[in-house]
Amino acid sequence: QVQLVESGGGVVQPGGSLRLSCAASGFTFSSYGMHWVRQAPGKGLEWVAFIRYDGSNKYYADSVKGRFTISRDNSKNTLYLQMNSLRAEDTAVYYCAKDTDYGDYGSDYWGQGTLVTVSS
Amino acid sequence: QSVLTQPPSVSEAPRQRVTISCSGSSSNIGNNAVNWYQQLPGKAPKLLIYYDDLLPSGVSDRFSGSKSGTSASLAISGLQSEDEADYYCAAWDDSLNGYVFGTGTKVTVL
Repeated sequence: QVQLVESGGGVVQPGGSLRLSCAASGFTFSSYGMHWVRQAPGKGLEWVAFIRYDGSNKYYADSVKGRFTISRDNSKNTLYLQMNSLRAEDTAVYYCAKDTDYGDYGSDYWGQGTLVTVSS
Repeated sequence: QSVLTQPPSVSEAPRQRVTISCSGSSSNIGNNAVNWYQQLPGKAPKLLIYYDDLLPSGVSDRFSGSKSGTSASLAISGLQSEDEADYYCAAWDDSLNGYVFGTGTKVTVL
């Protein structure tokens, strides 16, 4: 069965950095694009970034462009999100999500999420 | 703020039908497929609808999606208490070059 397990969340000071990981299993990771989506406490879903199956193209929300970097290691079945210059408004639960087979950028499997808190 | 607009909340009695609207523009809904997600309290989102109106395997056929122009809708028929959740529409946006979620709608079963 498909499993996505995020890790790397925690408390970080404003201006600091954090790297999230998402370990994937139960499917051919190297064949699927992957998303990062976040949800601030009590707020709605916000798409963060997407990377194609082979890492050839990456897309970012304007709110994180230039600060966050999405990457993947297909040999380790792992997705990453490097987060730099963190701000209080980056505080959220971060989910990794698998792209579907349907070609519409939807996500059919999600991890349980990892909480990032940016606070001094 | 999101480029896809949904009503903040809808409510209806059990066994009734509710419809959630999602208003966008030509750069997102008007030109790309719409997805719908259900998020139960404290849980990760679940894909309900893909390609505007198709149901993934395992999703109840009480859920249905539709699209017309730059707007989309999710309907839930035979409303049940287990349907109480937040619902989000989403689509790729060609202008933003990214995926966008709607503002979200909380469904309450009276």
